[in-house]
Amino acid sequence: SQTIHQWPATLVQPVGSPLSLECTVEGTSNPNLYWYRQAAGRGLQLLFYSVGIGQISSEVPQNLSASRPQDRQFILSSKKLLLSDSGFYLCAWTLPSLAGGWGRETQYFGPGTRLLVL
Amino acid sequence: GESVGLHLPTLSVQEGDNSIINCAYSNSASDYFIWYKQESGKGPQFIIDIRSNMDKRQGQRVTVLLNKTVKHLSLQIAATQPGDSAVYFCADNAGGTSYGKLTFGQGTILTVHP
Repeated sequence: SQTIHQWPATLVQPVGSPLSLECTVEGTSNPNLYWYRQAAGRGLQLLFYSVGIGQISSEVPQNLSASRPQDRQFILSSKKLLLSDSGFYLCAWTLPSLAGGWGRETQYFGPGTRLLVL
Repeated sequence: GESVGLHLPTLSVQEGDNSIINCAYSNSASDYFIWYKQESGKGPQFIIDIRSNMDKRQGQRVTVLLNKTVKHLSLQIAATQPGDSAVYFCADNAGGTSYGKLTFGQGTILTVHP
């Protein structure tokens, strides 16, 4: 079975410090990977998605970047954190995009990382 | 559309009642729909899904209804329990865009009172 991990679970960082959040998926190959941010009491905002190693698409302009150095590893980074970067960061995966297939678009989420920038 | 920046609507029910959570989608080309449950401090959890060639699908204590005419989706929870208290999100595949991208609804906070 497939599992998705995120770490750290919680992070408190000062403004201007760097950030690195990691997401790894087990039990599947060549997944599509996604980073979301969720502000308190809000919905999900898609930040980045990736369909393969080194392939990153950004959904919104922001202070963050993403990288995919390995097939099942997705990293969210920042060189200098802002107060507005605080939130709950979620990683998700789906099966690779192929024509047809029931449930192929189903996204499975990790446990999330709660980031507080002070 | 995406739910960023919106405060979530709420639904309060008594334990044992049936709950109905509604969702509207905007893309008439969407053909796959999902409901997620998110408990406090956790990632969203898949509940049930439905394809556009169906108008109803049932799971354990949950039923999803799809009305393509008015682009409306609902989640019915039978005999609601305190453990059902969570935020519920609907999502659709935005007309089958590539890379498995989903468009999430704004979410509904369900509170179940014992």
